[in-house]
Amino acid sequence: SQQGEEDPQALSIQEGENATMNCSYKTSINNLQWYRQNSGRGLVHLILIRSNEREKHSGRLRVTLDTSKKSSSLLITASRAADTASYFCATGGGGSNYKLTFGKGTLLTVNP
Amino acid sequence: GAGVSQSPSNKVTEKGKDVELRCDPISGHTALYWYRQSLGQGLEFLIYFQGNSAPDKSGLPSDRFSAERTGGSVSTLTIQRTQQEDSAVYLCASSFKGDSNQPQHFGDGTRLSIL
Repeated sequence: SQQGEEDPQALSIQEGENATMNCSYKTSINNLQWYRQNSGRGLVHLILIRSNEREKHSGRLRVTLDTSKKSSSLLITASRAADTASYFCATGGGGSNYKLTFGKGTLLTVNP
Repeated sequence: GAGVSQSPSNKVTEKGKDVELRCDPISGHTALYWYRQSLGQGLEFLIYFQGNSAPDKSGLPSDRFSAERTGGSVSTLTIQRTQQEDSAVYLCASSFKGDSNQPQHFGDGTRLSIL
C-alpha cells in the first residue's frame, strides 16, 4: 500500500518562483526521503531527513518534517526550467528496516 | 563511476510471451530492489535482495513473476505468460546496504508494453 501521499498532484509555476510540495504519511517512520524523476528516467535521490530532524537544506532545496502531523514539505527556491520533473516522497521504517514506500508524486512544471 | 544499468530500455511483446529484464547494480552495493511504476503512479515494490540472504518476494503480484540475483550482482526479473496489465515501467535500484536510511540509486527502467 502507498504510505506517502503528495500534494498537489500537479503544480505549474514560472521560472524564478518558489515551489512547495507536501507529503503526508500514516505510520511511524525513521526517515523520509525526496526523489526527483525526469520524464523517461529513473528516480534521483535529493535529500533525506531523519525522524528526529525538523528541517534540512541542500542548495535550493529545503525540507521540513513534522512527525506530530505526519507530514513533510519540499521547497524549491528560485525555480528553473530544469527543475521540471515529478517529485516523490518515500518513507523508511514503519515496520521494515530496508523498504521505502513511495507516494504517487507531484508533477512540477516550471515555465520559462 | 557507473550507475545502475537496466536492459532493455524498451520491450514490446505479445500477450502470452515470456520476458526477461536485466539489472546491473552499482558495484559494491549489496542491496537490490525491483519496482513497478504504472503510468502516473508511484512505485510499487516487487522484490528485494540483500547479499546472500533469502529475497523478500512479498511484492510480486503473481506467480508469473520471478527474479534472481546471481553472484550478488546482476539481477533478472522474469515475467511468464505476459498479460496486458503487466505493461509498465520496471525500475531497479541498488543501495550500499539494505537499510532504509540509505539512498537508493535507480536505473532508467525498462518500459514494457504488452500488445
